[in-house]
Amino acid sequence: GENVEQHPSTLSVQEGDSAVIKCTYSDSASNYFPWYKQELGKRPQLIIDIRSNVGEKKDQRIAVTLNKTAKHFSLHITETQPEDSAVYFCAARTYMDSNYQLIWGAGTKLIIKP
Amino acid sequence: DAGITQSPRHKVTETGTPVTLRCHQTENHRYMYWYRQDPGHGLRLIHYSYGVKDTDKGEVSDGYSVSRSKTEDFLLTLESATSSQTSVYFCAISASGGGSGGYTFGSGTRLTVV
Repeated sequence: GENVEQHPSTLSVQEGDSAVIKCTYSDSASNYFPWYKQELGKRPQLIIDIRSNVGEKKDQRIAVTLNKTAKHFSLHITETQPEDSAVYFCAARTYMDSNYQLIWGAGTKLIIKP
Repeated sequence: DAGITQSPRHKVTETGTPVTLRCHQTENHRYMYWYRQDPGHGLRLIHYSYGVKDTDKGEVSDGYSVSRSKTEDFLLTLESATSSQTSVYFCAISASGGGSGGYTFGSGTRLTVV
């Protein structure tokens, strides 16, 4: 079936450094790729997304890049801050069972070291 | 925050008892989803709805049923709760299929089956 792989499962970076989380997807027809941030004990929240007709999108310190040929997309966080510590989930939108669905990665726990 | 509420927020129940979780939205979104979240498994789709009385199974639907009799309410029922159903349950809503434009998640229900 459709699959999204996310790496690494845990990422520890020094405050102020950059963090990169990568996801690969299996369905070449996937056309929408969101990233969600989940702080401890809270709900997942959308932080950025990209559609398949765009290669890169930025929003202040976060950016997402998409390589459709290789079927992978990445989240980039620059100048990391303590409040960036959270679990990050990627997802890919695919058509299955007569409906569009999001297929989720397993999550990356990002730890920002002071 | 966005108009989605889950109830109850916490519940402890005994093995073998029926349990119903409620998701209520005020956004008039067509699509509603139930996920469970367990350590090491990320977000797993239980059931989803693409309209009133229109529902379908997700990847972990065994032991769960759902109902959607009106746009704003999506109910998740555990017919006979088991310890393996101890989890955090999230409801999500979206205006379009597969969350293009983003899912909005509820605050979650922490269910403990003893």
